[in-house]
Amino acid sequence: AQRVTQPEKLLSVFKGAPVELKCNYSYSGSPELFWYVQYSRQRLQLLLRHISRESIKGFTADLNKGETSFHLKKPFAQEEDSAMYYCALSGSSNTGKLIFGQGTTLQVKP
Amino acid sequence: NAGVMQNPRHLVRRRGQEARLRCSPMKGHSHVYWYRQLPEEGLKFMVYLQKENIIDESGMPKERFSAEFPKEGPSILRIQQVVRGDSAAYFCASSDTDSGSPLHFGNGTRLTVT
Repeated sequence: AQRVTQPEKLLSVFKGAPVELKCNYSYSGSPELFWYVQYSRQRLQLLLRHISRESIKGFTADLNKGETSFHLKKPFAQEEDSAMYYCALSGSSNTGKLIFGQGTTLQVKP
Repeated sequence: NAGVMQNPRHLVRRRGQEARLRCSPMKGHSHVYWYRQLPEEGLKFMVYLQKENIIDESGMPKERFSAEFPKEGPSILRIQQVVRGDSAAYFCASSDTDSGSPLHFGNGTRLTVT
């Protein structure tokens, strides 16, 4: 079955601490993986996608096909990183059709 | 560009009534996607439409739910004879390409069935 799992509902860290938001997926083919973010009172927006291999706002994510994971990392968390983060998977050429994880709330404390 | 506009933001319906959710995509976007988010769950794909066509409705419940995206006007997600289990947040997203990327989301409509 195609599935995206984010095991942590809430991750709370102090400012300056490293952050790792976990994402595991189950998919038989070669999926494309994404991280979406929703800041307070804002819309859901794309943070990054694995094929871009870029760093956005200091965040990076590496696709590990062996472990079927796509964890989101940042070496030093900032208070403005506090938000809801969703990992998502697309199994087709149409990347608008996504399978989302349940989401992880990141809380960065001062 | 105002972005993807959804209305209403909040909708309350009694069991058995009809709910109509509207989505105006970003200017120039002809691809619309609807997602539903039940409490404590992630967003789940419902339907993908282009102007006047339903391309993929694999996530739509078989009964009571329908969607359209007419040549003129917003996309409409219609739920007939609502039940309590339909209470959820419904998100619309649009794209200007048939690859679906990038996807721009609206603020959602929160439907409450009493």
